[in-house]
Amino acid sequence: GQQVMQIPQYQHVQEGEDFTTYCNSSTTLSNIQWYKQRPGGHPVFLIQLVKSGEVKKQKRLTFQFGEAKKNSSLHITATQTTDVGTYFCAGPWAGTYKYIFGTGTRLKVLA
Amino acid sequence: DAGVIQSPRHEVTEMGQEVTLRCKPISGHDYLFWYRQTMMRGLELLIYFNNNVPIDDSGMPEDRFSAKMPNASFSTLKIQPSEPRDSAVYFCASSLDTGWNYEQYFGPGTRLTVT
Repeated sequence: GQQVMQIPQYQHVQEGEDFTTYCNSSTTLSNIQWYKQRPGGHPVFLIQLVKSGEVKKQKRLTFQFGEAKKNSSLHITATQTTDVGTYFCAGPWAGTYKYIFGTGTRLKVLA
Repeated sequence: DAGVIQSPRHEVTEMGQEVTLRCKPISGHDYLFWYRQTMMRGLELLIYFNNNVPIDDSGMPEDRFSAKMPNASFSTLKIQPSEPRDSAVYFCASSLDTGWNYEQYFGPGTRLTVT
């Protein structure tokens, strides 16, 4: 079945450093979503990418969808302690509404 | 908007007992999802509904799990009998099919502990 993998699994950075997480799907995706889950919280939607090669920015966050629509990345510039949490990508399975969530990247920011 | 509401927030029960988790989706949303999150298996989709009809329940672990959505504003996930390996955080999420944006709104979750 469809698999969505993320690397790295964990990342510790000093505050002010940049951070990137990568998402890879075993199948081509019609769209990809990114969510953030704070410790003890629930996933919160960040963004959805649809077009091949699409790049979207939200303040210090930059999201990219690969040309082949099988991979994506999230880059955070100059991390802050508020960026702490786990970042998940999610892609729909075979054009359905069944979203397969990636394994997640847990980010810790050291002040 | 109150967001997705789940109850209870925490549930501790003994093995063999029946557990019922409840969810109220955001008003007007036509999709409802039940997820389970554990350290070992991550965030797994158990079942989802469209307009109160179950569409895909292939993620339901076994016959001990059942889910219903009797109306647009209420859904339940039942485990009977519960087992220690069912311990996890269970999330309910809802979304609105706009034709282009499929953002899911998650509830706060129910942390289930089966002893």
